[in-house]
Amino acid sequence: DQQVKQNSPSLSVQEGRISILNCDYTNSMFDYFLWYKKYPAEGPTFLISISSIKDKNEDGRFTVFLNKSAKHLSLHIVPSQPGDSAVYFCAASVGTSGTYKYIFGTGTRLKVLA
Amino acid sequence: DTAVSQTPKYLVTQMGNDKSIKCEQNLGHDTMYWYKQDSKKFLKIMFSYNNKELIINETVPNRFSPKSPDKAHLNLHINSLELGDSAVYFCASSPLTVSHEQFFGPGTRLTVL
Repeated sequence: DQQVKQNSPSLSVQEGRISILNCDYTNSMFDYFLWYKKYPAEGPTFLISISSIKDKNEDGRFTVFLNKSAKHLSLHIVPSQPGDSAVYFCAASVGTSGTYKYIFGTGTRLKVLA
Repeated sequence: DTAVSQTPKYLVTQMGNDKSIKCEQNLGHDTMYWYKQDSKKFLKIMFSYNNKELIINETVPNRFSPKSPDKAHLNLHINSLELGDSAVYFCASSPLTVSHEQFFGPGTRLTVL
């Protein structure tokens, strides 16, 4: 029972264009959503997060949008750069401080073409 | 000056053996985690520790035993290794800030033959 789903295993985008990565979830109790980036042979690196009480959070070229009614979030990268090529994981948290549990999606491989 | 380090990076062993993976963080975080990434790239939480106390145990077989000698270390010991244990294991730590950011180690690729 996969509570966090990333239905697109891969995505290719031209350099300078917008990359949109999508994530769906099923558990309405999730209170935070996160995006991580992962390069081969490295651990995931935190990118950006959003509270369930917000619908948008922005940090530089990265913006995360949350649509609670649709149980959907997306990560926008503008403009996309070749260095953004990596696997992107969506994650959701449930619990209380000190006991948070994080559920990850299976990732979307982004390739930014120069 | 690595924030979260894991040793070894690669581990190849025979079925039935016992092995350990070590994790250390120098970030001063109270909370540490172990995750398993299987062949389908699914990253799943196994354990979390807060101040050396076990907080989350995600129905992991008893063959897996985490040990936290102090806040900076969370080691994973696996007994009687099975083929299905082959995966990449990631350690992570968190300061429990509002952003929920976790800092991951580079991973340990375990191959059980």
